[in-house]
Order: sequence, then C-alpha cells, then structure tokens
Amino acid sequence: RKEVEQDPGPFNVPEGATVAFNCTYSNSASQSFFWYRQDCRKEPKLLMSVYSSGNEDGRFTAQLNRASQYISLLIRDSKLSDSATYLCVVPLYNTDKLIFGTGTRLQVFP
Amino acid sequence: GAGVSQSPRYKVAKRGQDVALRCDPISGHVSLFWYQQALGQGPEFLTYFQNEAQLDKSGLPSDRFFAERPEGSVSTLKIQRTQQEDSAVYLCASIMNTEAFFGQGTRLTVV
Repeated sequence: RKEVEQDPGPFNVPEGATVAFNCTYSNSASQSFFWYRQDCRKEPKLLMSVYSSGNEDGRFTAQLNRASQYISLLIRDSKLSDSATYLCVVPLYNTDKLIFGTGTRLQVFP
Repeated sequence: GAGVSQSPRYKVAKRGQDVALRCDPISGHVSLFWYQQALGQGPEFLTYFQNEAQLDKSGLPSDRFFAERPEGSVSTLKIQRTQQEDSAVYLCASIMNTEAFFGQGTRLTVV
C-alpha cells in the first residue's frame, strides 16, 4: 500500500458547487497533515495544515479521521480560480520528509 | 532572495549527457529537499539535506543521480548519462516551521 493515496480525478464541478476530496495514509503514527495546491506548470504551495480534528479557512475545510486514517478537503461555493491539483501531504513520522500523494485534479466550469 | 530559486528553468539534454540542476534556498532555511515530478504525478522524494549533511538519499533512482550542498546553502542535483526516463520536473524545496517552500522547478527533457 502506498504511504499516501488520493483519487486522481479529475473532478469536474460547476461554479458554486461543493466538492470534497479524500486522502488515505498508511502510517497510523503520523501526527500532521497538509493540503498543497498546485496550478498547472507551477510549484506546489501550502493551502492548509491539519493538526488535530480539522481546520477551516473561509470556503475550505480540512478534516482528519484518525480511526480510518484519512483526511479530507471540502471546498464550498467553488470558484473558477479553484481549478488546480490538490496534493495531500504527510510527513514521515518524526522527520521533515514530506510524502506527497499523486494529487486530485479539480476543474470548475462556468 | 525572497523565495527558492532554481536554474535552469528548462533543460534539454541529449541521451547520455550529464546535467547539473541548481537550487538556491531561502536564506536561513536549514532543510532542503529535492523532488522529481513526472507528468500527472505528485512530487516523488529524491533526497534531503540538513545544512550540508545529506540525511536521506533513499529516493535517488540510481547511482547516476548525485546531490550535494557543500556549504549548507546552494544545492546541486547532478544526473550523469541522462536517460529518457529522467525527463521530469525537478523541484527543490526548503522547509521552515513544517511549511515547504518550493522553487519553480527545472523541467528536464532528455531526447
């Protein structure tokens, strides 16, 4: 089993829709989790951190389910500018080494 | 500089040629990582430095790949005798307070 797994998508949603992505991780000892956003032909950038049960930032909500070993990212009221690839990232336990999922591609259409 | 700087942005190499990719991290960032990203995939870990010490090189795909950071600042990723499967974007990141700051990457195409 891969350390971090994501559905690659693409998820095609209309503007204003709510969309959610899941990410599963294999190491139950992992303590921190991140969502990064990557635009086409650009570098990844930090979107949100998830340290305990969850985190909310405007239209974006990240949640952690330790029992089932997954994190989710919910985007409400989708905008065209949300179109990007969303990367789930889990540090290797007790290190700085970041393990990336393959990314989930989101396309928001008018 | 304000961010992580990588050069060159684009590199076309003939199969068998050696290449050197440079990363200039954010000043003061101790940890530096190299990742390889193939089209449609997430970044794959290659190697990791803390200051000048290479702590983990388990992701380097073969002994043709070599990385160094001799003074704990600028890092160079060298690929010898390039093969077509080496074609990818090579990303460098430096980390501060668990956040990774990436450079724009070097897009390597081996022909």
